[in-house]
Amino acid sequence: EAEVAQSPRYKITEKSQAVAFWCDPISGHATLYWYRQILGQGPELLVQFQDESVVDDSQLPKDRFSAERLKGVDSTLKIQPAELGDSAMYLCASSSQGYEQYFGPGTRLTVT
Amino acid sequence: QKEVEQNSGPLSVPEGAIASLNCTYSDRGSQSFFWYRQYSGKSPELIMSIYSNGDKEDGRFTAQLNKASQYVSLLIRDSQPSDSATYLCASRDSGNTGKLIFGQGTTLQVKP
Repeated sequence: EAEVAQSPRYKITEKSQAVAFWCDPISGHATLYWYRQILGQGPELLVQFQDESVVDDSQLPKDRFSAERLKGVDSTLKIQPAELGDSAMYLCASSSQGYEQYFGPGTRLTVT
Repeated sequence: QKEVEQNSGPLSVPEGAIASLNCTYSDRGSQSFFWYRQYSGKSPELIMSIYSNGDKEDGRFTAQLNKASQYVSLLIRDSQPSDSATYLCASRDSGNTGKLIFGQGTTLQVKP
């Protein structure tokens, strides 16, 4: 069964350092999403790509976060510099028609 | 601000009982709704999608949608301890991007 791949699964970093997360969507899925989930809350969208284009990044803190999907396949989310409040689960999801979204295993980020 | 509201619980039911999970949404234009199951420390897993008023059944799960009342529910029949998890309700935003708006989740505990 096709799955969304993410790496790393866990990341511990000190504040002010840079971190990067990678996501490979289900093959053929044109839409890719990055969500952040704080413990006890539902996921919140950070950025949405349609192929290589950003469709929605209204909730992305652009002073420190960046995201790219250069060839319209895999994607990277970067944080620089990391802050204590960035500790969360970072989830990548993909969909083929923009309706049902399938999540990867996520990256648990801890900023110390 | 478009929102999805869920009771955080925990909802506790005995093994074999019916668990009833509910959510309300504020985006009157939304046409698509989803239930995700999330085990502790894991990523959300899509278990049901519903697009039309009425009931949709899949195995032990039944999703119910009432657009007039802006209400979505999930029934789990013959609840098992393995159903113990957080259940996230999501609505698809009626705007251009169609992003998912999640509730905070309801924690279900099924006691043997």
